[in-house]
Amino acid sequence: SQTIHQWPATLVQPVGSPLSLECTVEGTSNPNLYWYRQAAGRGLQLLFYSVGIGQISSEVPQNLSASRPQDRQFILSSKKLLLSDSGFYLCAWSVPATVNEKLFFGSGTQLSVL
Amino acid sequence: QKEVEQDPGPLSVPEGAIVSLNCTYSNSAFQYFMWYRQYSRKGPELLMYTYSSGNKEDGRFTAQVDKSSKYISLFIRDSQPSDSATYLCAMRVTGRRALTFGSGTRLQVQP
Repeated sequence: SQTIHQWPATLVQPVGSPLSLECTVEGTSNPNLYWYRQAAGRGLQLLFYSVGIGQISSEVPQNLSASRPQDRQFILSSKKLLLSDSGFYLCAWSVPATVNEKLFFGSGTQLSVL
Repeated sequence: QKEVEQDPGPLSVPEGAIVSLNCTYSNSAFQYFMWYRQYSRKGPELLMYTYSSGNKEDGRFTAQVDKSSKYISLFIRDSQPSDSATYLCAMRVTGRRALTFGSGTRLQVQP
């Protein structure tokens, strides 16, 4: 069966510090990978998605970047965090090229920028 | 106006009650509809997935889609305290990568 791992679960960082969140998927090959952000009391917003190694698409302009160095590894980064980067970050995967594409989420990282 | 509207709640019901959770949407191009359950500080878990108008049942859960009214619902029968969570509706336009999520309804089932 497929599993998704995301870490760390909680992170407190000062403004201006760098960020690296990592996500890995097991039990499937060539998944579509996603980074979402969830602000308190609001819906999920898609930040980045990837359909293959080195292929990253950004949905919204922002202070963050994403990379996919391996087939089942997806990394969210920032060189200098802003207060507005605080939020709950979720990695997700799906089986590509299916009509009924379903999204499966990791356990999330609560990021507080102080 | 948001593309997807969802009452944030909280919705408090006694154990055993039938729960009705709803979303309305404005974009008639939405074709695929999902319900996710999210426990506090956890990732959302896919509960139901449907792409046609009508009802889809899975155990205690029934998803209902009315495309003519742009309205979807999730019904939970015999609600349990373990159902206490935030329920998110989500929708997708064919060919578009991103899901559009509602803001979630917080449900509390009292024992």
